[in-house]
Amino acid sequence: DAKTTQPTSMDCAEGRAANLPCNHSTISGNEYVYWYRQIHSQGPQYIIHGLKNNETNEMASLIITEDRKSSTLILPHATLRDTAVYYCIVRPPQGGSEKLVFGKGTKLTVNP
Amino acid sequence: EAQVTQNPRYLITVTGKKLTVTCSQNMNHEYMSWYRQDPGLGLRQIYYSMNVEVTDKGDVPEGYKVSRKEKRNFPLILESPSPNQTSLYFCASSPRWSNEKLFFGSGTQLSVL
Repeated sequence: DAKTTQPTSMDCAEGRAANLPCNHSTISGNEYVYWYRQIHSQGPQYIIHGLKNNETNEMASLIITEDRKSSTLILPHATLRDTAVYYCIVRPPQGGSEKLVFGKGTKLTVNP
Repeated sequence: EAQVTQNPRYLITVTGKKLTVTCSQNMNHEYMSWYRQDPGLGLRQIYYSMNVEVTDKGDVPEGYKVSRKEKRNFPLILESPSPNQTSLYFCASSPRWSNEKLFFGSGTQLSVL
């Protein structure tokens, strides 16, 4: 069973911010939240990850709620090339099982 | 260039004919994993390996075997393929098995007739 819950699909206008939510209400204190995306049948691509602080890199920002039960991936200025399936996963730290569950992800469509 | 290489990219075979999909990484990563992807089901983990000679089952291991005799290679073996193993397969690796991003291969589209 997936440890995360995401909406099946979302739409966003080109140039606007895309906010993708993820629920991980059973996350443990030492588990990290990771985001990946997959552009049509290509290998998934890493985007960002975090533990409890908000994170930002050149691709996106990750906002994690204080109770860590949910997070939001933000693409600040979505482009057509951001159309993809976005996966939110929870990854345990070293010492835990590395059986990773990706779930079905959110299909983001960026419209012109 | 740092990468995960899968071969072949496409494979069509017949039921019962043993096949191997190769996966190799040139980043000295300890963790490697195999996933299959089917329409509507997302990515499902088949097997993973935390280091040489250390492998474990993922969510859907039935009908598959793996081996990790050396760090760089993690082949996926289908001893007797069946049509329900028709799928898109991805190999992935990460430096160690903790808090580090996964690097994925380009995928292998397998069709079992």
